[in-house]
Amino acid sequence: DAGVTQSPTHLIKTRGQHVTLRCSPISGHKSVSWYQQVLGQGPQFIFQYYEKEERGRGNFPDRFSARQFPNYSSELNVNALLLGDSALYLCASSPLVGWEDTQYFGPGTRLTVL
Amino acid sequence: EDQVTQSPEALRLQEGESSSLNCSYTVSGLRGLFWYRQDPGKGPEFLFTLYSAGEEKEKERLKATLTKKESFLHITAPKPEDSATYLCAVQARGGSQGNLIFGKGTKLSVKP
Repeated sequence: DAGVTQSPTHLIKTRGQHVTLRCSPISGHKSVSWYQQVLGQGPQFIFQYYEKEERGRGNFPDRFSARQFPNYSSELNVNALLLGDSALYLCASSPLVGWEDTQYFGPGTRLTVL
Repeated sequence: EDQVTQSPEALRLQEGESSSLNCSYTVSGLRGLFWYRQDPGKGPEFLFTLYSAGEEKEKERLKATLTKKESFLHITAPKPEDSATYLCAVQARGGSQGNLIFGKGTKLSVKP
């Protein structure tokens, strides 16, 4: 079975621009979470979506937004990019059925802001 | 405040030299503790989930254990291919199930 997929793999933007990152979860998984990982740090939670509704939000500014589509894929949008937004953006999916809530991560999108 | 601290930050081992990685946590009610392996430039790869103190899980050369305040990842007779960063994360009761709180990781290097 295919794992979590993310696109694009790499992205270079300049300050002030906006970016859209995409994620397709594992087949059958209805929950998608987004994380930001700065070099040398652990991933930091941004959003969780389940059944197309926001279920959780981390401590990130309103420049960050996300949505989930009927097929459970998801987009993360970041507006007015800052140099500090340069990071690896990770998407994770989970079935969220009973106790089965392990999150499986995709390969990430490397965003560089110049 | 919920937080996860991993030690050491980096660990260098000779092939076959067993050791342990530590993950200390403070959380307002633990729902689950997760171990992941991450290779450079890639997404974390799931290893184990632990839910209650005293629980242990094994996979090849890795064994994860859980107490009320910390978790250990024991690596027995490591091989060079075990070199990676090992991440520990906790999920708190009452929080979003999608919200994992990660430590900074332990970077493991295994020399042949």
